[in-house]
This record gives sequence, C-alpha cells and structure tokens, in this order.
Amino acid sequence: DTEVTQTPKHLVMGMTNKKSLKCEQHMGHRAMYWYKQKAKKPPELMFVYSYEKLSINESVPSRFSPECPNSSLLNLHLHALQPEDSALYLCASSQKNGLGLTDTQYFGPGTRLTVL
Amino acid sequence: DQQVKQNSPSLSVQEGRISILNCDYTNSMFDYFLWYKKYPAEGPTFLISISSIKDKNEDGRFTVFLNKSAKHLSLHIVPSQPGDSAVYFCAASADDYKLSFGAGTTVTVRA
Repeated sequence: DTEVTQTPKHLVMGMTNKKSLKCEQHMGHRAMYWYKQKAKKPPELMFVYSYEKLSINESVPSRFSPECPNSSLLNLHLHALQPEDSALYLCASSQKNGLGLTDTQYFGPGTRLTVL
Repeated sequence: DQQVKQNSPSLSVQEGRISILNCDYTNSMFDYFLWYKKYPAEGPTFLISISSIKDKNEDGRFTVFLNKSAKHLSLHIVPSQPGDSAVYFCAASADDYKLSFGAGTTVTVRA
C-alpha cells in the first residue's frame, strides 16, 4: 500500500481566512513533504519533515506554516494568503531508510486551493 | 537553474505502439532517477525508478534506460494504451530529500 491521503480535496478561502490542509500516511514513512504545483508546471518543494522535525524550508513565506503532530500526519496552516497562492498543494512521503540512500516519494492526490 | 530537462513538451502516439520519453540532466551528483505520471488535478503517481548503478530497469510495460555518460534517461512504454495519456515528469535526486523535476511531457495516445 502506497497511499497518501489529503483533505480537503478543494478549498476556497478569502485573503483574511485561516485554514489548514491535512495529510496522512500509514506506510511507516519517516519523511513527509509539502509541494506546490501550478498548472502545467512541475511540483515545487516547500517543506520537508524528517522524523517529525522540519529539515528543509525552501524560503516559503510565513503565511504558510507547516506542522507535523506525529509520524503519520502533516498539516499546512494557511493565513493571509494572496490570490497568487492559488495552486494544487501536494503532500508526499518517503521511507527514509536511514542508510543515506535516496528513496521514492509517494504523492497524495492534492488539495486544489483557490484564494479569492 | 533547470537541472533536469524534458525537451519535448508533448508526444502523440498510436495505441499499441511504443512511447519514448526523454530526459536530460546536468548535475553529475544525481544518483536516483524517477518517472511520475500525472492526470489533471491529481497528484503524481510513481511509475518506475532507477539507481545510478544500473543502466536499465523494467516493470511490466515500462522500461527506464539510464546513460550516465550522456546524462540522459528515457522511459519506454510498450504497448501504449489510452489510459497512458497523461503528463509524465522525470525527476532526479542527489542522495538527499530534494527531487529536481523536469517540466513534463504530455503524452496523448490515439485510438
């Protein structure tokens, strides 16, 4: 089973709203990721959590705030977003086998975010 | 800088024929390469990967070839089926968390 689930599937929010995106995996993976994808573009890495600690922040604006409550869950808290933040937000996870080897990232279906 | 390049934005192929997707990279530190397939408004689905210690990996209808000296990899899909119509992303990693993606190739399989 290589399933990563994300909720909600769609989200529309105003620029003053606060909302959260949720991601869950039960594969025992120890690395989890947030990506942003615009139409007809490849995914862009935003954040990486490894063993529940934030290990990479790709200079993402503070209006995006990630959280990893436990090894299976990853949240992305959104506040005061701009219309240009409208995109497909993807969560991914990978095993991170501790051997220093690159491993495969498995993606969730994404949340389609529209900021009005 | 674009470290992974997919120079063909689109590919049209007849059902039952071979689809060949190409990918070039510039970073000699990349040691793991992956292909993902993506339908509109869905997340990328992992298809197949290859480590830099190999030059070929096969999984059913999908075969990935790696030519390290040319910094080139390709994905062969045989035979192509209508459900293969999607965007295909090549990705590469240099033994860390980051995946560098190509811009994608849109494959259309004609009946």
